[in-house]
Amino acid sequence: EPEVTQTPSHQVTQMGQEVILRCVPISNHLYFYWYRQILGQKVEFLVSFYNNEISEKSEIFDDRFSVERPDGSNFTLKIRSTKLEDSAMYFCASSGTGGRHEQYFGPGTRLTVT
Amino acid sequence: QKEVEQNSGPLSVPEGAIASLNCTYSDRGSQSFFWYRQYSGKSPELIMFIYSNGDKEDGRFTAQLNKASQYVSLLIRDSQPSDSATYLCAVGDNSYKLIFGSGTRLLVRP
Repeated sequence: EPEVTQTPSHQVTQMGQEVILRCVPISNHLYFYWYRQILGQKVEFLVSFYNNEISEKSEIFDDRFSVERPDGSNFTLKIRSTKLEDSAMYFCASSGTGGRHEQYFGPGTRLTVT
Repeated sequence: QKEVEQNSGPLSVPEGAIASLNCTYSDRGSQSFFWYRQYSGKSPELIMFIYSNGDKEDGRFTAQLNKASQYVSLLIRDSQPSDSATYLCAVGDNSYKLIFGSGTRLLVRP
């Protein structure tokens, strides 16, 4: 069964550094998303991406955040100048087409900013 | 501010019983409704989705949607200890982003 994959599973970085979180969405899906979940809190939407551009972004997705689909399979989230409050689980999700928008989540990357 | 509300629980049911999980949402423009299961330390796993008023059944799971009351529910029949997890209600609008509730923790007692 196709699934979303994410790497790395855990990333530790120092405050102020840049991190890149990587995702491989389900192969025939066209819509891609990033969500985050701070420990003990709700899953929060960050950004959606379709047709090589951002469809929508939340207030959390400030100028330090960017997304890219560098090739036909990968989808990345870059966070520059990381802050302590960026520490969270980051989930990539993808959904298909034809009016079906069920989103399937990857296993997540735990980001720890020290 | 679009909100999705769930009782945090825990909801404790004996093995074999029916577990009933509820969710309300604030945005009348919401178009799609999802239930995800999340085990501790894991990612959300899609278990049910519903787009139209009424009931939708899949195995031991039934999702119910009432748009007039802005209410979604999930019934789990013949609950098993392996069903013990946090159940997340998520609501989508025409932009496809999902707004999640805080989840209901379900405990199924053997």
